[in-house]
Amino acid sequence: NAGVTQTPKFRVLKTGQSMTLLCAQDMNHEYMYWYRQDPGMGLRLIHYSVGEGTTAKGEVPDGYNVSRLKKQNFLLGLESAAPSQTSVYFCASRRLPDSTYGYTFGSGTRLTVV
Amino acid sequence: GQQLNQSPQSMFIQEGEDVSMNCTSSSIFNTWLWYKQEPGEGPVLLIALYKAGELTSNGRLTAQFGITRKDSFLNISASIPSDVGIYFCAGQADSWGKLQFGAGTQVVVTP
Repeated sequence: NAGVTQTPKFRVLKTGQSMTLLCAQDMNHEYMYWYRQDPGMGLRLIHYSVGEGTTAKGEVPDGYNVSRLKKQNFLLGLESAAPSQTSVYFCASRRLPDSTYGYTFGSGTRLTVV
Repeated sequence: GQQLNQSPQSMFIQEGEDVSMNCTSSSIFNTWLWYKQEPGEGPVLLIALYKAGELTSNGRLTAQFGITRKDSFLNISASIPSDVGIYFCAGQADSWGKLQFGAGTQVVVTP
């Protein structure tokens, strides 16, 4: 099925470990986004990309890096995980910023840092 | 960054009742979106609003884009058990598609 696929779905990291979250979309969307969701809060934008080879910072970028080497993939990296990065991470894509149908979200990655 | 205030935080209602929730912002948005999120899933778009004053329906859902461009509301009529979930408002103010989300309204429907 067409859509946004996130891997892994769950992960537990120790403080200081690194990992990469993968987001893949098969809809040929130009724009891709990484959000985090914490209890009692709305989603907050970490980084985003407006096309292959481009990335930009969102509202809460510290401690994260991203890459968009291929149009269909948007990777989110944690170089040295901290407990404050325990969260649910959502990737989303959009054909254009003013697309009528808004974002298509993945089902999320639940990350726990101990 | 911009702040979205979404209320109420939660609602416990009986099946058949109507539900209303709203979002207000200190800044102007050019697009308002309403999403629903169910456990273990990402948000799913319910309604998108693009013009101040716009009133849009999607089945039992109705949403409006406030005249001031700083607020929006969502109504759910005749609630059913499958309406259970967390409803989020989101505003877009720029040309890059970045969204600012409210904290969500948790809706619980009892038979």
